[in-house]
Amino acid sequence: DTAVSQTPKYLVTQMGNDKSIKCEQNLGHDTMYWYKQDSKKFLKIMFSYNNKELIINETVPNRFSPKSPDKAHLNLHINSLELGDSAVYFCASSQDPSSGRYSYEQYFGPGTRLTVT
Amino acid sequence: RKEVEQDPGPFNVPEGATVAFNCTYSNSASQSFFWYRQDCRKEPKLLMSVYSSGNEDGRFTAQLNRASQYISLLIRDSKLSDSATYLCVVIFDRGYSTLTFGKGTMLLVSP
Repeated sequence: DTAVSQTPKYLVTQMGNDKSIKCEQNLGHDTMYWYKQDSKKFLKIMFSYNNKELIINETVPNRFSPKSPDKAHLNLHINSLELGDSAVYFCASSQDPSSGRYSYEQYFGPGTRLTVT
Repeated sequence: RKEVEQDPGPFNVPEGATVAFNCTYSNSASQSFFWYRQDCRKEPKLLMSVYSSGNEDGRFTAQLNRASQYISLLIRDSKLSDSATYLCVVIFDRGYSTLTFGKGTMLLVSP
């Protein structure tokens, strides 16, 4: 009965490869997010989707491409991986922020620890 | 100036101590405020929202000072299980609402 799940949990790959991370939530939320937490533990939003529509796209290299096949899934594909992409990537979900007072609470997945060598 | 600033710590306290963290934010139009908790190698989880009037949840008290643009978290009677990183989170209105996280303050509670 996991709320937000991500696969894989660990990903070790070489520079130049292409990889994908998958995220699924069973909370019935409308909005999903990708965050990157770097080695200094700084958590920064990358993308947000609301009902399969991209609503936030922070300054992220276009090697990163999110895809939302339905509102319960948000995947992240990364092309031409670089050393600086090494980080923990967290998926999160929440209700539509406009829907109510407590809707800003975000539920995070367990994270995907990406190491690029 | 960073949007959300926190003292990274670590704060080392003995069990039973009272400890307080502050967080400052730069955007005076900030809408909502939260404290999240992140255990080592785990995902962040919401600890509590922060209301203008201040709010309390058991041993935890959160305060907001809009005039000085800071938020505080007070933990009373610290437990070993309180050891974690506490993330200050602010929502700025940029045309859409998005959570902006501070870098977190690490708390280590020792026996």
